[in-house]
Parts: sequence; C-alpha cells; structure tokens
Amino acid sequence: GAVVSQHPSWVICKSGTSVKIECRSLDFQATTMFWYRQFPKQSLMLMATSNEGSKATYEQGVEKDKFLINHASLTLSTLTVTSAHPEDSSFYICSAEISGRLAGGDVIGNEQFFGPGTRLTVL
Amino acid sequence: AQKVTQAQTEISVVEKEDVTLDCVYETRDTTYYLFWYKQPPSGELVFLIRRNSFDEQNEISGRYSWNFQKSTSSFNFTITASQVVDSAVYFCALWETSYDKVIFGPGTSLSVIP
Repeated sequence: GAVVSQHPSWVICKSGTSVKIECRSLDFQATTMFWYRQFPKQSLMLMATSNEGSKATYEQGVEKDKFLINHASLTLSTLTVTSAHPEDSSFYICSAEISGRLAGGDVIGNEQFFGPGTRLTVL
Repeated sequence: AQKVTQAQTEISVVEKEDVTLDCVYETRDTTYYLFWYKQPPSGELVFLIRRNSFDEQNEISGRYSWNFQKSTSSFNFTITASQVVDSAVYFCALWETSYDKVIFGPGTSLSVIP
C-alpha cells in the first residue's frame, strides 16, 4: 500500500520558536494533502487542505499565519508552527490523497493515507 | 451538528467477549465514503475499512465485521472474540465527496481486559 512518512516523529521546543513538520508520500504522488491536529483524548480535527502549487485552505478557527503550510511538490507538504506556545502542543497528523481512476478515466474514489504523526511539545 | 457520532465514549469488555462499536453519520451527499480506523497507544492510525455509499453489503474480515445500514445512517463495527491487542481508540469517519475532506467521529476507547 501507499506509504506516508512524517518527520520528525516527535519534537520538543521552547515557547516562541518555530517548528517545521514534513509530510512525504513515499511511493506515490499526492496533489492533495491534509493536516490534522489531535489533542489528548480527543478526535482528529482537520486543520487545512493543502494542494500542490496553490495556497492551502484552512478550516474555520485555524490561524493561517500561525500554521504555515507549503506544498511545493507532489510528494512533500510542510506544516510550520510559528512562534509556538504551550497550547500548540498536540499530535499533528498528515494524510495524502490518491485519486483512483480506472483505465478509461472514470474516478473510482479517492484514497487517503495517513502519516504516523508528529508529537509536538512546547515548553 | 456533528456529522459523525460515536455515542460510546469508552467500552470495557473481558477478553473473548464480542463488542460492537456504534457509528451514526449525517450527510446530504448521495456519494460518500465511510471508514473505520484503529489508533493504538502509539498514535499511528491503522486503516480498517473503507465503504462507499453504494455498497451496503456487510463485510467480514477475520474477527472484524461491519454492518452498514443506509436506512438508519449507521456503520457499526463488531469485534468477535475480543483480544487484549484490540485495546485502542476506534474512529469512524465520513468523507463527503462534495467537500472532499474526512470528518472523524469523536472516537470510542475500547479496553479489553484479560
């Protein structure tokens, strides 16, 4: 199956610093990637949809200036948490989408593959 | 309104018991997809099943089975003969093609006691 990696798997940083998280699709090209955040004992909440070569679409309540998303290639999207604060401590998960098509071009449904997550702790 | 509801926040069962995790969804799309994921303590999501809205056949995979009922907008997940390794948080999710994003339910934490 398709593999999505995230780097780093965990990071600890001081308040006020910026942290970059990478999401890579290892064996397929993904025009769309998604970023989720999960607080302890809570569900995954979609933060933004990232399309290659264009600006990300942020969900309501997510600060785009704080969570910078770059999707410069079909296999890499990055999430930068700028000026991180303790309340940004969370588990960040990315996913990459494959468009499923039959030989004739009909869309058979998209597949989404999740990365292993990055645990961010801001001191 | 919550689009994916998992009414059971936590469930505890004794090993070898059967357990059903409920999932109720809400959508106006005619084409959509439903998923179940397992999230063990390590945090990595494990894909279990994907079902599209046109396929109401129930599915069985080993000890896992899924019951999809469009009439009640439910997509329930049953584990038979539960094992300690089944202990995890299970998420039901909905992908509406008109929005092209996955909405996760709140999750059900399952504890299987030896």
